Amino acid sequence: NAGVTQTPKFRVLKTGQSMTLLCAQDMNHEYMYWYRQDPGMGLRLIHYSVGEGTTAKGEVPDGYNVSRLKKQNFLLGLESAAPSQTSVYFCASDDQGGEGRPDTQYFGPGTRLTVL
Amino acid sequence: GEDVEQSLFLSVREGDSSVINCTYTDSSSTYLYWYKQEPGAGLQLLTYIFSNMDMKQDQRLTVLLNKKDKHLSLRIADTQTGDSAIYFCAESGGYQKVTFGTGTKLQVIP
Repeated sequence: NAGVTQTPKFRVLKTGQSMTLLCAQDMNHEYMYWYRQDPGMGLRLIHYSVGEGTTAKGEVPDGYNVSRLKKQNFLLGLESAAPSQTSVYFCASDDQGGEGRPDTQYFGPGTRLTVL
Repeated sequence: GEDVEQSLFLSVREGDSSVINCTYTDSSSTYLYWYKQEPGAGLQLLTYIFSNMDMKQDQRLTVLLNKKDKHLSLRIADTQTGDSAIYFCAESGGYQKVTFGTGTKLQVIP
């Protein structure tokens, strides 16, 4: 049981280049999220999905697109990278809780992206 | 929108108690969480408390909730070097939308 995995772990892009970050989970969770983590700003939600084929905007969606073609995968795309998108990106999935227990998010190890 | 605030940094000596504080604005929060992020890793749920509770104890961890002041704290007793990490406070209204704080970096000095 690998949990939540992310590829790649590191990437350097030039301004204007595009890339896709892949997130995969093997826990059969419906809900998945993409966050970015910046110093002093904590985690900010980019996009999320409540099930296969669905996506929704989070707090900072501009410059990003997402797709959830398969339940286990959630892809984050940058069409034209900008230096402001230099960050650490985390994917998470949510187990939706249970009786007497709140939902818990399970995080991947992160992708460190630098845009020059 | 919802807002969760934390101080950015805390330094303690090994063996002392650590207290990490958090304030939030959403009065409809149902659950409040503490997540831990070790260096180079993603966040992991450490503990949580329901909004109708004042306190929760789990081994070395004590969570205190003052709902009137919208203040949450995490106390780590007998802090160890392995507790060095970033600790995130988070709140949720129970619909899988979780708002995270800025994180507090805990440094434990041997």
